Amino acid sequence: AQSVAQPEDQVNVAEGNPLTVKCTYSVSGNPYLFWYVQYPNRGLQFLLKYITGDNLVKGSYGFEAEFNKSQTSFHLKKPSALVSDSALYFCAVRASGYSTLTFGKGTMLLVSP
Amino acid sequence: DVKVTQSSRYLVKRTGEKVFLECVQDMDHENMFWYRQDPGLGLRLIYFSYDVKMKEKGDIPEGYSVSREKKERFSLILESASTNQTSMYLCASSGTGLRSYEQYFGPGTRLTVT
Repeated sequence: AQSVAQPEDQVNVAEGNPLTVKCTYSVSGNPYLFWYVQYPNRGLQFLLKYITGDNLVKGSYGFEAEFNKSQTSFHLKKPSALVSDSALYFCAVRASGYSTLTFGKGTMLLVSP
Repeated sequence: DVKVTQSSRYLVKRTGEKVFLECVQDMDHENMFWYRQDPGLGLRLIYFSYDVKMKEKGDIPEGYSVSREKKERFSLILESASTNQTSMYLCASSGTGLRSYEQYFGPGTRLTVT
């Protein structure tokens, strides 16, 4: 079985400060890892993925994530937060050879002006 | 741009009614998925389909069924709606192979069962 934990229900950060949204995972074999964002009253939008290769992956809107195999983590980061980054963020994992994703419970990011 | 559309944004139904949620994608994707989203629970997979007329149960299939008669269309059916099925329902699609990594989501249908 595969699972994802997002330990923070909400993250608050001031505009211009760096942000981190945490994610840890459990999966058999090599993980495929994803971050999605959901703006109010919208569907989920893909942000970035880790499949293989460089542990630091870059995605849309200036976001990046670092894959850490020993800590089974895939934290989402951005050097300088914007108010428009305020949204619900989901981490997801998939085992290689499978097509279904398992999502975390989501973390609400609130960026204050 | 990939487009996944869902038939309704908001739906209100009565307990015991049969409910159909429709999803259409325009990218010729093989895989289609139905999730429900609840606060504090994230997204949970109800059913998915990897080909026409093929379906697989997800994590929470009880009380739901699905139909995929055409490649672009995937329907979720609540045979007898209950209040605990009040939720946001999200449809998604993806390709195969290298195109399978990213799932594209529709805007969601917020279903209220009274």
